[in-house]
Amino acid sequence: DTAVSQTPKYLVTQMGNDKSIKCEQNLGHDTMYWYKQDSKKFLKIMFSYNNKELIINETVPNRFSPKSPDKAHLNLHINSLELGDSAVYFCASSQEGGPHGYTFGSGTRLTVV
Amino acid sequence: GQQVMQIPQYQHVQEGEDFTTYCNSSTTLSNIQWYKQRPGGHPVFLIQLVKSGEVKKQKRLTFQFGEAKKNSSLHITATQTTDVGTYFCAGPGGGSNYKLTFGKGTLLTVNP
Repeated sequence: DTAVSQTPKYLVTQMGNDKSIKCEQNLGHDTMYWYKQDSKKFLKIMFSYNNKELIINETVPNRFSPKSPDKAHLNLHINSLELGDSAVYFCASSQEGGPHGYTFGSGTRLTVV
Repeated sequence: GQQVMQIPQYQHVQEGEDFTTYCNSSTTLSNIQWYKQRPGGHPVFLIQLVKSGEVKKQKRLTFQFGEAKKNSSLHITATQTTDVGTYFCAGPGGGSNYKLTFGKGTLLTVNP
């Protein structure tokens, strides 16, 4: 009964490969997000989806393509991985107007070698 | 664009000492949120402040929102080793609730 679950937890891959990270939330929230946390722990928003519609695309390279098949799922596909993509990627969800903030998944640690 | 500044970046205390982290925004915020991230973990929502001058308490944690709604603080009384982690403040970026902008966080370590 995990609220926001993302897979895989760890991902090690070579430069140039394509990889996907999946995220699902069972909270009934209407908005989902992808955040990137770099080695200095800085959390930066990448995308926001509200009811499957893209709301925020925060100047992320085109190699990153989010997909939301329904409001409970938000996946992230990354093409042509680069060394600089190495980071922890967090999925999160929230309910518009709700007082409970964002609920984060446990993160996917991506290492590009 | 909106910036959320947080200080200090690091704080090391002896168990039992108090701890405070401060957050400042370049713009007025409709609300401010606080999160805690344990080492190796994910950010966990602690609280949201909405009203000017609001003060909320959670056991040993006291959260304040400034009168001008541009600054906030988190104070922990008598720290314990379980308080170890990075504390982040966050506010709606550019006025959008769909874009929570996080401060860089304060890493708290506690010496037992």
